[in-house]
Amino acid sequence: KNQVEQSPQSLIILEGKNCTLQCNYTVSPFSNLRWYKQDTGRGPVSLTIMTFSENTKSNGRYTATLDADTKQSSLHITASQLSDSASYICVVIPQGTSYDKVIFGPGTSLSVIP
Amino acid sequence: DTGVSQDPRHKITKRGQNVTFRCDPISEHNRLYWYRQTLGQGPEFLTYFQNEAQLEKSRLLSDRFSAERPKGSFSTLEIQRTEQGDSAMYLCASSLLAGAHYNEQFFGPGTRLTVL
Repeated sequence: KNQVEQSPQSLIILEGKNCTLQCNYTVSPFSNLRWYKQDTGRGPVSLTIMTFSENTKSNGRYTATLDADTKQSSLHITASQLSDSASYICVVIPQGTSYDKVIFGPGTSLSVIP
Repeated sequence: DTGVSQDPRHKITKRGQNVTFRCDPISEHNRLYWYRQTLGQGPEFLTYFQNEAQLEKSRLLSDRFSAERPKGSFSTLEIQRTEQGDSAMYLCASSLLAGAHYNEQFFGPGTRLTVL
């Protein structure tokens, strides 16, 4: 069964610190892997999109990496800000997919405190 | 604001009632998606349209659910005879199919449904 798992489930860090969120997936082959940020009570917003052939993609203080051999992706947040407090969702799009096979992870809830 | 909009943002209803949600996509986007998200989980795909055609429906979309996009612009999602298990956030997203390997989806703020 295709799955996307994320860790940790929740994380609390001090403002200004860095953190790394993990995504493990069993989906294979896949077309692309995405990271979304979802503020409480809002819809998800895309942070990065990587195809299966890309290893890293940056968007400001967010850097996503992909290791297709180990089926792992990570999202690194540098110099965290209070506004980074949100849920971060990893999404894997299987190759040649129909949309009911798009798989969202459960998310990691990040809290950045002063 | 030219993003995806959804209405209402919150809906509280009694079990057995019908509810209808509306989604207005980004104006030039030809694809529109509906998702359902429960607390602590990622969104689950329900259905999607390309222009006015409903191209795919998830097995999650029971007979009580129906979605339309009559003119290829806004869409409605109706739930008949609501059940407490329908309580969730209903998210709409839109994208532009333009020959890319993938098309980025832009999400609306969601409609939170509570069934009492």
